[in-house]
Amino acid sequence: EVQLVESGGVVVQPGGSLRLSCAASGFTFDDYAMHWVRQAPGKGLEWVSLISWDGGSTYYADSVKGRFTISRDNSKNSLYLQMNSLRAEDTALYYCAKDGGYSYELGYWGQGTLVTVSS
Amino acid sequence: QSALTQPASVSGSPGQSITISCTGTSSDVGGYNYVSWYQQHPGKAPKLMIYDVSNRPSGVSNRFSGSKSGNTASLTISGLQAEDEADYYCSSYTSIYVFGTGTKVTVL
Repeated sequence: EVQLVESGGVVVQPGGSLRLSCAASGFTFDDYAMHWVRQAPGKGLEWVSLISWDGGSTYYADSVKGRFTISRDNSKNSLYLQMNSLRAEDTALYYCAKDGGYSYELGYWGQGTLVTVSS
Repeated sequence: QSALTQPASVSGSPGQSITISCTGTSSDVGGYNYVSWYQQHPGKAPKLMIYDVSNRPSGVSNRFSGSKSGNTASLTISGLQAEDEADYYCSSYTSIYVFGTGTKVTVL
């Protein structure tokens, strides 16, 4: 069974930094691209970032480009999101998601970790 | 990277069919057959329902179907059931991903 478990969400001050983690199990981690998607309280989904299976290619939404860095450690079956220069508008539930394996879809999602940016 | 446009809400009675639209541009929905749909119940993670416009992943009910015409994709739920009450999001891949604004489906 595919499992994705996010961690690292806390309350952080504007301008601060945070690293989120996602522990994956139940599938061959290094066969799949991985995503981060966020959802502000009471709002819709916003795609944040994508990393290829080998970490060689990364992509970002304009809203986080230059501030967030996605990475992965295939030896630890783990995905990361380094978040710098945090703003109030980054407050959201951050989901880790696995590429679906069919085409260009997000096939499985974790339960999310909450990041709150507030002074 | 503007969000795709969906109606805020759609409702129907049990057994009826409803359709949710997802409107983009020729640079996203209209330019690629990489539209997917996600169902999200309150407090839960999203679940993939449709990929590549009209394909259902294993385990998804055949009451869910997808289509596309021009810059607008659609998700149809037939034989509406109480358990279908949820938020639904479309998404398009264009070298990056963009989600729709979301639609709340209410079963009357």
